[in-house]
Amino acid sequence: AQSVTQLDSQVPVFEEAPVELRCNYSSSVSVYLFWYVQYPNQGLQLLLKYLSGSTLVKGINGFEAEFNKSQTSFHLRKPSVHISDTAEYFCAVSPSSDKLIFGTGTRLQVFP
Amino acid sequence: ETGVTQSPTHLIKTRGQQVTLRCSSQSGHNTVSWYQQALGQGPQFIFQYYREEENGRGNFPPRFSGLQFPNYSSELNVNALELDDSALYLCASSHRTQAGTDTQYFGPGTRLTVL
Repeated sequence: AQSVTQLDSQVPVFEEAPVELRCNYSSSVSVYLFWYVQYPNQGLQLLLKYLSGSTLVKGINGFEAEFNKSQTSFHLRKPSVHISDTAEYFCAVSPSSDKLIFGTGTRLQVFP
Repeated sequence: ETGVTQSPTHLIKTRGQQVTLRCSSQSGHNTVSWYQQALGQGPQFIFQYYREEENGRGNFPPRFSGLQFPNYSSELNVNALELDDSALYLCASSHRTQAGTDTQYFGPGTRLTVL
């Protein structure tokens, strides 16, 4: 069975600072990896995904993530955050891009 | 291109009642998945529909049921509502081929409150 651990429930950061949101997964098979963002009172928006190939994945809004198979991690990074990045971020895994298994989320709070 | 839409936006029911939530998939997508997101939690997979049949189910009781229609839209039905069913219900559509299922795109959700 697969599972996802998001190590930080909340990450406070000042505007224009870099940020990393951590995600570790557990799986006995190859998986696809995703990051979604959820703004208040909205659904989930896909930030980026890793299916295969290059382990560094570029997404929307300046975010990127690196797949590390040996550490079973898929951490999300942004070099300079904006106030508008304040949201809930979810890491998810899927053995076949069918059923998505989500972590519990990380609340990114960007302060001016 | 029309995105995933869900209706209603909000819904209030009482314990024991039944509810139907609706989802229209994104243009070109043939698969619909439903998720339950309790307050402060990540979404939990309920089930997925492909070609009008259930194609995978999470750890939810049979009182959670669904339908997919020929136009790929879908309904989620919940019978005998319980207080713990209060949550945001998310629908996601994707395109499935022989190679597998493409990325899931989510709708805005339906907020269900059970009193």
